[in-house]
Amino acid sequence: EPEVTQTPSHQVTQMGQEVILRCVPISNHLYFYWYRQILGQKVEFLVSFYNNEISEKSEIFDDQFSVERPDGSNFTLKIRSTKLEDSAMYFCASARDRGRVGYGYTFGSGTRLTVV
Amino acid sequence: AQTVTQSQPEMSVQEAETVTLSCTYDTSESDYYLFWYKQPPSRQMILVIRQEAYKQQNATENRFSVNFQKAAKSFSLKISDSQLGDAAMYFCAYRGNRDDKIIFGKGTRLHILP
Repeated sequence: EPEVTQTPSHQVTQMGQEVILRCVPISNHLYFYWYRQILGQKVEFLVSFYNNEISEKSEIFDDQFSVERPDGSNFTLKIRSTKLEDSAMYFCASARDRGRVGYGYTFGSGTRLTVV
Repeated sequence: AQTVTQSQPEMSVQEAETVTLSCTYDTSESDYYLFWYKQPPSRQMILVIRQEAYKQQNATENRFSVNFQKAAKSFSLKISDSQLGDAAMYFCAYRGNRDDKIIFGKGTRLHILP
């Protein structure tokens, strides 16, 4: 079964550094998402991306964050100048099309980001 | 704004028994989708079951079934013949028909007692 692949599985970074979280969505999917889960808390929507642009973003997704699909296969989340409160599990997800919205997404296995 | 509420932070059930996880939601929309996701210790999010709001029939997937009460805005998950592998965090989730994002509840951690 096709999978959404996220790398690395765990990343530790110094506060103030920039990090890039990488995702390889399922190949025929067109809609891409990032979610975040702070330890012990609920999963929160960050951003959705379609046709090379952001289609929706939450209030969490401020100027510190950016997303990119640089080469047609990878989908990246960049966090500039990381803060301690950015420590969380970050999930990438993809979906084939809006017509299948009721089928939900396929999630990756997540990247655990620890900011020290 | 839509919200999803799971009032049971933790639950336990004996292996082979049946357990029901509760979920309520709030929305002004009439067309939407509801989901239950499972998050085992590996932290991956796995779709367990989904329900279209326009369908009156409750969804079932093998040992998993839902009780969807649209008027009450309730969407509970029943797990029959619980197995050790069912131990996980379970998230109830909502998605409006015109939305991209999924809204999750805070989750219920399910323990299976051998």
